[in-house]
Amino acid sequence: GAVVSQHPSRVICKSGTSVKIECRSLDFQATTMFWYRQFPKQSLMLMATSNEGSKATYEQGVEKDKFLINHASLTLSTLTVTSAHPEDSSFYICSATTLPGTDAYEQYFGPGTRLTVT
Amino acid sequence: SQQGEEDPQALSIQEGENATMNCSYKTSINNLQWYRQNSGRGLVHLILIRSNEREKHSGRLRVTLDTSKKSSSLLITASRAADTASYFCATDGSGGSNYKLTFGKGTLLTVNP
Repeated sequence: GAVVSQHPSRVICKSGTSVKIECRSLDFQATTMFWYRQFPKQSLMLMATSNEGSKATYEQGVEKDKFLINHASLTLSTLTVTSAHPEDSSFYICSATTLPGTDAYEQYFGPGTRLTVT
Repeated sequence: SQQGEEDPQALSIQEGENATMNCSYKTSINNLQWYRQNSGRGLVHLILIRSNEREKHSGRLRVTLDTSKKSSSLLITASRAADTASYFCATDGSGGSNYKLTFGKGTLLTVNP
């Protein structure tokens, strides 16, 4: 149980285009999903927290207009990188959890999406 | 902002040896978790330890938590080549954000056959 998928696993796009990444919880309802960004050989940096049916909460320094997050259902959140630039190339990972309402919890991570902007 | 700092940054051992990785953090926490990440892949949850716990075991994994020193250690016993991966600690509860995880920089473990 607790499987999270991401699609696509890899994407190459041209500078200036937009790319959508999907994050799905396959066997549970995720009230909260998180989007992380990871540069090579570095740690995960939280970009935003997404709650179903409400606007995402972005971390300081993350551009809301550039990284559009939609959490339209309890099993799907999407991250759209708009007007992508080469510096947006990174590994994007989502996670899902059944918060709120739990004390100690686990976040279930997707396999990640490798974005390369040329 | 990153809270956890793992050391060492990289660790290379022989199969069968034990591997110890440490994590330090700066602010108070509710829980501390350890994750494994194989190269280019997502994270796999290994173990969670609550702030009121001092030690926890899961198979070949042993995690300790010292809240007075704001540090944790992950011990992998009898390591295998398949244990080769990056290991991250993650804390939650800092700054009033009870559910957001803050990850450390990670330790790259290489287990040589």
